[in-house]
Amino acid sequence: AQTVTQSQPEMSVQEAETVTLSCTYDTSENNYYLFWYKQPPSRQMILVIRQEAYKQQNATENRFSVNFQKAAKSFSLKISDSQLGDTAMYFCAFMTPNTGNQFYFGTGTSLTVIP
Amino acid sequence: DAGVIQSPRHEVTEMGQEVTLRCKPISGHNSLFWYRQTMMRGLELLIYFNNNVPIDDSGMPEDRFSAKMPNASFSTLKIQPSEPRDSAVYFCASALEGGAGTEAFFGQGTRLTVV
Repeated sequence: AQTVTQSQPEMSVQEAETVTLSCTYDTSENNYYLFWYKQPPSRQMILVIRQEAYKQQNATENRFSVNFQKAAKSFSLKISDSQLGDTAMYFCAFMTPNTGNQFYFGTGTSLTVIP
Repeated sequence: DAGVIQSPRHEVTEMGQEVTLRCKPISGHNSLFWYRQTMMRGLELLIYFNNNVPIDDSGMPEDRFSAKMPNASFSTLKIQPSEPRDSAVYFCASALEGGAGTEAFFGQGTRLTVV
């Protein structure tokens, strides 16, 4: 079975500071992909960053970066220089082509950036 | 492309009535997902289609829920009869199977309220 766990229901960070959101997953597959999605109050689900499991290099996207630890099955998201617009729910997600491209989502972390 | 289009954005209905939610996936995408989001349970996968065929409907909560995908550009999720506990935001998402780690693209969701 594929599972995704986000153990931090809520977090807060001061504007301009750095925050790290945790995510662990469980799978027996070797070929898979990991994602972080952001859901602001507008409700729209927006892709923040993507990581291919076969790549050792951690993905980065401007102020967003991941710490991918394959052996530990850990995929944390680091947000640097936090901005008020980063306030949102953040979902970690996992997909493996070997199970029909299904996406599995964690329960989310609600992040509040404090001015 | 306009992205994944869902209608209606909001739906308020009385208990016992039939509700139909609609989704138009991104042109060319061959995977379609229906999710339900609530505060208590987060994002739940209800059903997943690939090439218009239902692959996994194990997340459909009860026989009151049904989903169809008559062609590659349209899908419906129907609840009959509706109950207050069905109140949630329902998301449709599409993806391209075979793309290297392509993400799921989400619609803006339908907020369903059953009174």
